[in-house]
Amino acid sequence: DADVTQTPRNRITKTGKRIMLECSQTKGHDRMYWYRQDPGLGLRLIYYSFDVKDINKGEISDGYSVSRQAQAKFSLSLESAIPNQTALYFCATSDRTGNIYEQYFGPGTRLTVT
Amino acid sequence: QKEVEQNSGPLSVPEGAIASLNCTYSDRGSQSFFWYRQYSGKSPELIMFIYSNGDKEDGRFTAQLNKASQYVSLLIRDSQPSDSATYLCAVNFGNEKLTFGTGTRLTIIP
Repeated sequence: DADVTQTPRNRITKTGKRIMLECSQTKGHDRMYWYRQDPGLGLRLIYYSFDVKDINKGEISDGYSVSRQAQAKFSLSLESAIPNQTALYFCATSDRTGNIYEQYFGPGTRLTVT
Repeated sequence: QKEVEQNSGPLSVPEGAIASLNCTYSDRGSQSFFWYRQYSGKSPELIMFIYSNGDKEDGRFTAQLNKASQYVSLLIRDSQPSDSATYLCAVNFGNEKLTFGTGTRLTIIP
C-alpha cells in the first residue's frame, strides 16, 4: 500500500460547488502539506501543518481551507470552486533526518472546475 | 522574497552522456537543498538532498552545492531514456518549508 494516499484522484466539478480533497498517510510523520501545481508555475504551497493543533497558511491560501483530523489525515477544501482553481493538487508529508526535512508526495488529485 | 530559479528547458542530452541541471536561489542563509524528479502526470519523487558545500554522490547522480555563489546543480552520469523527466530543485530557507523552482524538462535522446 502507498504511504501517502489522496482521494479522489480525479474530480470534475462546477463553479460554486464545495469540494474536499483528502490525504492520508501511514508514514507516521507529523508534518503535512498541500500544494498545487500549474504548468509553468511549479509547486506552490497552500497550507501546511506541523501537528494536529498547528495549521499555517502558505503562499496561496485564499479560497482554500484545511482540516487536520488526525496525525494521519489532512484535508483540503475549496468552499466555492472557481475555474482558476483547476490544477494538480499534491499532499506531502515530511520527516526529519537531523536538520533535514525530506518531503514525500502523494499521487496527486487532478481537479477541473468548469 | 525567497526565490528558486531554474532554466525551464527543454534540455536534450544524448543517451550515455552527462546531463547537468542547475538551480540558483536567493538567500545565502538557506540550509538544505533537494532535487526531485517528476514524470509527466506523476508526483515528485525525491532523488537526493545536500546541505554541505561540495559534492554528494548517489549512484549515477551527483549533487553539487556552492553556497557562496548560491547555486546547486545535479549531474546525471550515463544518462538513460528513463531519466527523461522534469527535475525540480527545492530549497529550505530555514523555516521547515520548501520553495520549489519551476523545474527543468530533460529529454534523453536514444
